[in-house]
Amino acid sequence: GENVEQHPSTLSVQEGDSAVIKCTYSDSASNYFPWYKQELGKGPQLIIDIRSNVGEKKDQRIAVTLNKTAKHFSLHITETQPEDSAVYFCAASMKMDTGRRALTFGSGTRLQVQP
Amino acid sequence: DSGVTQTPKHLITATGQRVTLRCSPRSGDLSVYWYQQSLDQGLQFLIQYYNGEERAKGNILERFSAQQFPDLHSELNLSSLELGDSALYFCASSPLGGFTEAFFGQGTRLTVV
Repeated sequence: GENVEQHPSTLSVQEGDSAVIKCTYSDSASNYFPWYKQELGKGPQLIIDIRSNVGEKKDQRIAVTLNKTAKHFSLHITETQPEDSAVYFCAASMKMDTGRRALTFGSGTRLQVQP
Repeated sequence: DSGVTQTPKHLITATGQRVTLRCSPRSGDLSVYWYQQSLDQGLQFLIQYYNGEERAKGNILERFSAQQFPDLHSELNLSSLELGDSALYFCASSPLGGFTEAFFGQGTRLTVV
């Protein structure tokens, strides 16, 4: 079936460095790509999203880029801080067996920012 | 606080039993989604309801069912529970049936013993 692959599974950076997480998707008709941050014991929190008619979107220290031709999108976090430590999930709107679309999530990246 | 409320937060039950998880979406949101998150795994889409009707279905087991009521809250029913059903179950809501921002609740942690 359609899926989303996410890399790396773990990422450790020094405070102030940048972090990049990459995802690829299989459904060329996907048109919505959100990123979620999940802290321990909490539900996923939407941090940024991008639609297929846009190549890049920024929100302060967070940016997302989308390459529709290559079917991949990336999350960039600059000037990382210890509070950025969490699990990050990418997602894409994928077609289910029923023909309808739903958000399919990557397997997650555990980001650790070392002070 | 996302505005999505899930109850209960924790649930411990025995194999073979049936449980009901409840979700209240954000005010004004018409869509409710259910996801399962097993240990060290990502979020697996189960089912979506939009304004009371089933809209999309993922890999939901036949032992599981859901519904959305006229007041838009939703319930996920899990029956004939097995040890492997132990997981976090998340509900999310969004304003429309298509893809806009989806906001997640805090989840229900189900433990089957």
